[in-house]
Amino acid sequence: DTAVSQTPKYLVTQMGNDKSIKCEQNLGHDTMYWYKQDSKKFLKIMFSYNNKELIINETVPNRFSPKSPDKAHLNLHINSLELGDSAVYFCASSRPSGNTIYFGEGSWLTVV
Amino acid sequence: QQQVKQSPQSLIVQKGGIPIINCAYENTAFDYFPWYQQFPGKGPALLIAIRPDVSEKKEGRFTISFNKSAKQFSLHIMDSQPGDSATYFCAASIENSGAGSYQLTFGKGTKLSVIP
Repeated sequence: DTAVSQTPKYLVTQMGNDKSIKCEQNLGHDTMYWYKQDSKKFLKIMFSYNNKELIINETVPNRFSPKSPDKAHLNLHINSLELGDSAVYFCASSRPSGNTIYFGEGSWLTVV
Repeated sequence: QQQVKQSPQSLIVQKGGIPIINCAYENTAFDYFPWYQQFPGKGPALLIAIRPDVSEKKEGRFTISFNKSAKQFSLHIMDSQPGDSATYFCAASIENSGAGSYQLTFGKGTKLSVIP
């Protein structure tokens, strides 16, 4: 019973393609996030949603579009993939008043 | 502009040693300082955290030391074990007012290797 689950775990795709990563949490949290971890392991927040409402939208190309159909799901859609998009993408969640952020196991995206 | 600076980038210690990882922050509005541990192929997981009104916190073999005036904090791992080999991230957060969303700013990570 994984708390934050994301699919797929591995994704290899060609430049220019459009792809989606799905995320679901069963912790009952209201807040969900997408983080990007680059090849040097640097973790950077991309988006934050609270109860389906966008809260944080860092400087991310508009090719990246998060979608939250309900508060337990936050999917990430990426258009026109570029080589530089290759990274590990982590979905995470937290309670609105909670400090602990729970991460999924990551989705390894490789653009060739 | 990196708001949380972490050092060293990598660290090798022998079993039983006490690795120390240091972090420094710039934004005095930060009000929560967690450390996350990440094993290969896994997501980061909260290890231990501290608030600025406390100078030290211990949980098992892990200790955070916090120096508010210097805007620095560090992680000490007592009696380190090979199973502690992982990447450690310090972080700092400030709650977005009214939104109930915590934005964690991470350090760049320290890869720790504990040699048997």
